[in-house]
Amino acid sequence: GENVEQHPSTLSVQEGDSAVIKCTYSDSASNYFPWYKQELGKGPQLIIDIRSNVGEKKDQRIAVTLNKTAKHFSLHITETQPEDSAVYFCAASPYGQNFVFGPGTRLSVLP
Amino acid sequence: GAVVSQHPSWVICKSGTSVKIECRSLDFQATTMFWYRQFPKQSLMLMATSNEGSKATYEQGVEKDKFLINHASLTLSTLTVTSAHPEDSSFYICSATSGSLTEAFFGQGTRLTVV
Repeated sequence: GENVEQHPSTLSVQEGDSAVIKCTYSDSASNYFPWYKQELGKGPQLIIDIRSNVGEKKDQRIAVTLNKTAKHFSLHITETQPEDSAVYFCAASPYGQNFVFGPGTRLSVLP
Repeated sequence: GAVVSQHPSWVICKSGTSVKIECRSLDFQATTMFWYRQFPKQSLMLMATSNEGSKATYEQGVEKDKFLINHASLTLSTLTVTSAHPEDSSFYICSATSGSLTEAFFGQGTRLTVV
């Protein structure tokens, strides 16, 4: 089955700096890669996703890149703000089913 | 994005009692719903997958007689924790997807505390 690894487990950045979180997956059948932001005591919120037919997607300060050959994908947050502080989870899924989540990255944006 | 509503957001119950958690898709028909369990500072662990009108598929190690899942309609799935014990205390989260969506949208989660 699918196995998703995520690094780093914790990340602290200064406000305004960029943050990068990386994930690797094992199942070449996975073709959908969402990223979720989870704030304390709340459910995960989808922030961006990418499908296997593209290599990069950007939405304002957030971007995701995908390397299918190497089976890794990354989340990039630019101009970080304190409200970006949360736990971020990557996931891999074949056709939107059977999501497998990474262990999460706790991002702290220091003012 | 689509909205998934989960209720209650938190519940405290006594050992030996049962607790039902509801997951509703408010603006789309959820052909598939997923139930997850999350321990503090850990990732989401899939417990079971339920398709409307059929029996849920449980992940290995999840007791189907203890965690009863019903997905009787395209907008509602329920998880019942039967004969709850303190070790069942956790954050339970549902998500839903449909044939017209590949994204999975999550409920806000239910924090269960068994005393």
